[in-house]
Amino acid sequence: EIVMTQSPATLSVSPGERATLSCRASQSVSSNLAWYQQKPGQAPRLLIYGASTRATGIPARFSGSGSGTEFTLTISSLQSEDFAVYYCQQYNNWPPVTFGQGTKVEIK
Amino acid sequence: EVQLVESGGGLVQPGGSLRLSCAASGFTFSSYWMSWVRQAPGKGLEWVANIKQDGSEKYYVDSVKGRFTISRDNAKNSLYLQMNSLRAEDTAVYYCARVRDSSGYYSIFDYWGQGTLVTVSS
Repeated sequence: EIVMTQSPATLSVSPGERATLSCRASQSVSSNLAWYQQKPGQAPRLLIYGASTRATGIPARFSGSGSGTEFTLTISSLQSEDFAVYYCQQYNNWPPVTFGQGTKVEIK
Repeated sequence: EVQLVESGGGLVQPGGSLRLSCAASGFTFSSYWMSWVRQAPGKGLEWVANIKQDGSEKYYVDSVKGRFTISRDNAKNSLYLQMNSLRAEDTAVYYCARVRDSSGYYSIFDYWGQGTLVTVSS
């Protein structure tokens, strides 16, 4: 099973600032990595797949990078609606599909 | 508009059974792999199971193998999760999700329902 580790657990950022979230895989997942956003009481929403391809309707301020075992989600200028929990997920080697434990982006 | 609506959650005693349903609309249900993903209270996401378009392939996380069964009825545009021998650790919100890639090779979840809460407790 591929273990996904996200850091930091919590990221405190001011509106308008840049946020950088990290995700590490226990073995290579190539570019088969997705990012999801989840707000309280809501279902997750797909942001990024293929490590760097934005899903339909996702604003350009969200960008993903990386391959192999190291990945980054960058939010270039945080908006109020971006404060949420973000999960990475690998789909290179499944079953099982595995998720990271999440990074909470909170208002500083 | 793609919609996924789960139902069937509730309170069940340890060892009991429950059947979850997911009604799909707004897309050709029979053309997509489908999935169940769960989230324990205050915890992260955990993949549970995937099923191929025609139901001929099914995959499960180890912790539910032999206890849960994923199935679908394409004529009714519905996905199901039969859960038997339930344990306290199965307590979670259960989401149904559509797999973006029709081949099923890339298990990317592009649409999610709002979830249904299953509580296993005596």
